[in-house]
Amino acid sequence: DAGITQSPRYKITETGRQVTLMCHQTWSHSYMFWYRQDLGHGLRLIYYSAAADITDKGEVPDGYVVSRSKTENFPLTLESATRSQTSVYFCASRVGMGNTQYFGPGTRLTVL
Amino acid sequence: AQRVTQPEKLLSVFKGAPVELKCNYSYSGSPELFWYVQYSRQRLQLLLRHISRESIKGFTADLNKGETSFHLKKPFAQEEDSAMYYCALSAVIWGLGTSLAVNP
Repeated sequence: DAGITQSPRYKITETGRQVTLMCHQTWSHSYMFWYRQDLGHGLRLIYYSAAADITDKGEVPDGYVVSRSKTENFPLTLESATRSQTSVYFCASRVGMGNTQYFGPGTRLTVL
Repeated sequence: AQRVTQPEKLLSVFKGAPVELKCNYSYSGSPELFWYVQYSRQRLQLLLRHISRESIKGFTADLNKGETSFHLKKPFAQEEDSAMYYCALSAVIWGLGTSLAVNP
């Protein structure tokens, strides 16, 4: 489980600020994912990546930007944070579709 | 449309009682279904996936293509089973989760 980490673990920011959440995995998994977890909505996929330099939108991509220049890193950027983006964000990785998905510990983001 | 439905937000049972967490799905192809569990203050982790047909921590789940269901079952619930359980269709579509509370 220590193979996938997220930073920061907690972040408080203000509306309109840019925020980047980091995700790093040491397994060289091809796939990486970003989810947000909200009460009443469960887990919702924001973006995912099948390999370095390949990213695709999930269910709720608006207001977020991702990049994947290296296999092991998958940062998520909120270009101009809004209160509705207050959530717990989880990063995950897996070898391939259909395989076990491993989750990071989560980042709790509060937008004031 | 692809969809995963977990009809119960909260399920409360007594220790030793059987438990069944329901999951229904809507998918046109061959589904890849998973159950993930999140214990308090811990990260999400895989519990079961339908292709492995194994029993983890006493839990089993059978894929019923006719009823499009993948219910999670355990014959005798333990207090340490109290957690949030998510049914997922591949990595993309997740249910809203069921919070299981096992009371002493």
